[in-house]
Amino acid sequence: AQKVTQAQTEISVVEKEDVTLDCVYETRDTTYYLFWYKQPPSGELVFLIRRNSFDEQNEISGRYSWNFQKSTSSFNFTITASQVVDSAVYFCALSEPRSNYQLIWGAGTKLIIKP
Amino acid sequence: GAVVSQHPSRVICKSGTSVKIECRSLDFQATTMFWYRQFPKQSLMLMATSNEGSKATYEQGVEKDKFLINHASLTLSTLTVTSAHPEDSSFYICSARDGEQGENTEAFFGQGTRLTVV
Repeated sequence: AQKVTQAQTEISVVEKEDVTLDCVYETRDTTYYLFWYKQPPSGELVFLIRRNSFDEQNEISGRYSWNFQKSTSSFNFTITASQVVDSAVYFCALSEPRSNYQLIWGAGTKLIIKP
Repeated sequence: GAVVSQHPSRVICKSGTSVKIECRSLDFQATTMFWYRQFPKQSLMLMATSNEGSKATYEQGVEKDKFLINHASLTLSTLTVTSAHPEDSSFYICSARDGEQGENTEAFFGQGTRLTVV
């Protein structure tokens, strides 16, 4: 069974639109960590955020915001006023003690921002 | 964030030769480094976990004799693809955690190496 599900394979929006990338996770640990990474066309992975399971506060960083909902096991990522430079593949990942904190990756969502 | 440098970024080699990829943590000590392989339009697949001074732990299905990993120091891990074949062509990425920050912290990634075997 998939432990991290990113159901949206590809999303395409026009610049300046808001867009939300979904991430649903599955774990039996009470302590765990959730991550988002960005992979632009050049290939390198850029760390965006880490959230621990005890902190359900939503986070905002500029145009980026994250909505962590333990009740629905979701950790969604929203980009407001999207820009062409936001075009990339975005990965959600889970880290849990029973997996020795190895990152468990979602399949990724390819985001295309059209000018 | 911490910096991980991976070299080379791109390499083309002949079938049957070996290729070495280096992964360095530039401003922190990485007791653990990870090697991933990524096929086009797919997610990252963990190949092995490399611990400084000990043998790497390989994931199921990864040939340890083909993908040699050496983690000789706290700042350097190498992946050698031995007797490369065209099916080994892929994007290889390393990552490292800052050993002082603990194992539940974010991993930082190298730039990746695109290997093409002809």
